[in-house]
Formats: sequence, structure tokens, C-alpha cells
Amino acid sequence: TQLLEQSPQFLSIQEGENLTVYCNSSSVFSSLQWYRQEPGEGPVLLVTVVTGGEVKKLKRLTFQFGDARKDSSLHITAAQPGDTGLYLCAGDNYGQNFVFGPGTRLSVLP
Amino acid sequence: SQTIHQWPATLVQPVGSPLSLECTVEGTSNPNLYWYRQAAGRGLQLLFYSVGIGQISSEVPQNLSASRPQDRQFILSSKKLLLSDSGFYLCAWSRKGLLHAEAFFGQGTRLTVV
Repeated sequence: TQLLEQSPQFLSIQEGENLTVYCNSSSVFSSLQWYRQEPGEGPVLLVTVVTGGEVKKLKRLTFQFGDARKDSSLHITAAQPGDTGLYLCAGDNYGQNFVFGPGTRLSVLP
Repeated sequence: SQTIHQWPATLVQPVGSPLSLECTVEGTSNPNLYWYRQAAGRGLQLLFYSVGIGQISSEVPQNLSASRPQDRQFILSSKKLLLSDSGFYLCAWSRKGLLHAEAFFGQGTRLTVV
């Protein structure tokens, strides 16, 4: 069974602080994705990382894929209240299906 | 552009009653389709996925079933709901033929079994 683990499960920080959340797996996926979900809505894709060691930036968000393509991190610089939400990582099984981690619930306080 | 519709948004059903949740995708053809369930504030559990009409793969043994009667229609059903079926149900689609696919989600259905 393929599993993804995410840490921390919960994170509460003040506006302006930096943070990093992690996603780890014992399996190799063809790609790994990060989604953000607001309460009562479906997840929305933030980024897809494909190549081992790849780094992608999306404004204040920096995503990194591990060299072995089994782990990933999401770093947020100068967090804002609008960053609040559930951050999910997901492994793509070569286009067949997607395995999701349990998520990190981030709360950014003003 | 592609859109995915899922309804109803919320549903309260008594134990033992049947269930039918519907999902349709517009603007694409022959998509992969998925049903996920999410416990409160947690990750997504894959329930079913489909690569084509009438082709359903079940990931978790349970009280639910899925059907794909048309190319862009995916239905989640139950004959008799249990309390444990309560949760947030999400439908999603992805394109075929891509080495690195992405999932696009509907707005979800909040099901409460009472």
C-alpha cells in the first residue's frame, strides 16, 4: 500500500513568519503535487513537481522535490492570513490514480 | 474550459436510506474519474476510480458502489446508508495519456447520516 505522510499535522503561526511543511513517502511516484483546500470546498492544485531535486516557486511559496522523488517540502515566506487552509500533498501513480497525504492544517493569525 | 459539477452540496439522510451522488464533467472527453471521501479536516481516501464507461475500480471495501453510465458522468451510490458513511465526498477528474497528470476537484458533497 502506498502511503504519504505529512508533518506537522497542525501549525499555527503569526502573520509574517516563515514555515515549512513536509511530505514523505516510502514509494516513488511519477510526480508529486501540492493542493490547498478551503473549508467546504474541493482542493485546488498549487504545483506539480516531477524531477528529483526540482525547485518551483509560486510567489511566496517554494516547493522542493527530493532527489529520490519520495519526499517534498513546501516553504512559505512571510505568511499571510490568506495562506490559511489545509495543504495536501498527493502522489501521481503514472496517471492511474492519486494517493493523498493526511494534510497539514495551517492557521496564520493576523 | 473544463468544469466539474457535483451535487448536492449538502445532504442529510437517515440510516438505512439509499444514496445517489452525481458528478459530471464538461469540456473534455474520456477523462479518468474519481470519488474520494474526506474525514473532517483530514486527507482524502480514494474510494473508486474509472478509466472509462462501465469500468470501475474499488480501492476500499465498503457500503458504497460507483457507476459510470456515460463518458462524463460518475455516480456514487448506496442501498442502505450507515452512520459511518457520513463525510465530505469529492469527485475529481484527470486527463488520460499524461505521464504527469493533475486532479481537478468538484466542490464536494457534505453527507450527514442521522
